[in-house]
Amino acid sequence: GQQVMQIPQYQHVQEGEDFTTYCNSSTTLSNIQWYKQRPGGHPVFLIQLVKSGEVKKQKRLTFQFGEAKKNSSLHITATQTTDVGTYFCAGDEYGNKLVFGAGTILRVKS
Amino acid sequence: GAVVSQHPSWVICKSGTSVKIECRSLDFQATTMFWYRQFPKQSLMLMATSNEGSKATYEQGVEKDKFLINHASLTLSTLTVTSAHPEDSSFYICSAGVAGGPNTGELFFGEGSRLTVL
Repeated sequence: GQQVMQIPQYQHVQEGEDFTTYCNSSTTLSNIQWYKQRPGGHPVFLIQLVKSGEVKKQKRLTFQFGEAKKNSSLHITATQTTDVGTYFCAGDEYGNKLVFGAGTILRVKS
Repeated sequence: GAVVSQHPSWVICKSGTSVKIECRSLDFQATTMFWYRQFPKQSLMLMATSNEGSKATYEQGVEKDKFLINHASLTLSTLTVTSAHPEDSSFYICSAGVAGGPNTGELFFGEGSRLTVL
């Protein structure tokens, strides 16, 4: 079945440094979504990417969808303590179910 | 965005008892809801897809008789953990999507229910 791999599992950065998490699917996706889960909270939708090669930005966050629609990345520029949490990618295989990556835990040292 | 409410947020029960968790879509109708289980520092594992008015679709390895799902209305799905044991202790989260929303497939999550079985 479909698998979604996400790396790194954990990253600890100094405030102001950049952060990137990568997501790879074993199959071609119709779209990929990103969620953020704060410690003790529930996942919250960040963005959805649909088009091959798509790039979207939300302030300091940049999301990319690969040309083959099998990989994606989330890049945060100049991290802040408010960025702390776990970032999940979730792949949608053409109307089937969303499959979540393992998540990347981000910790920011101030 | 759409709101999904989950209750209770935490519950402690004795081994062998059953626990019911409710998931409600507050401002939209959800023909489909999803139930996940999350262990500490791990990802969301889909347990089952709850379909309004019909039987739930369970993922491989999830016991249907242990995790009973009922989706009796367009705004309510319930998950009942029957004869709970300590290994069932976990964080259970539900989610639902909004049909026709701007982001196809975007999920709105409940707050989660932390179950501890003694």
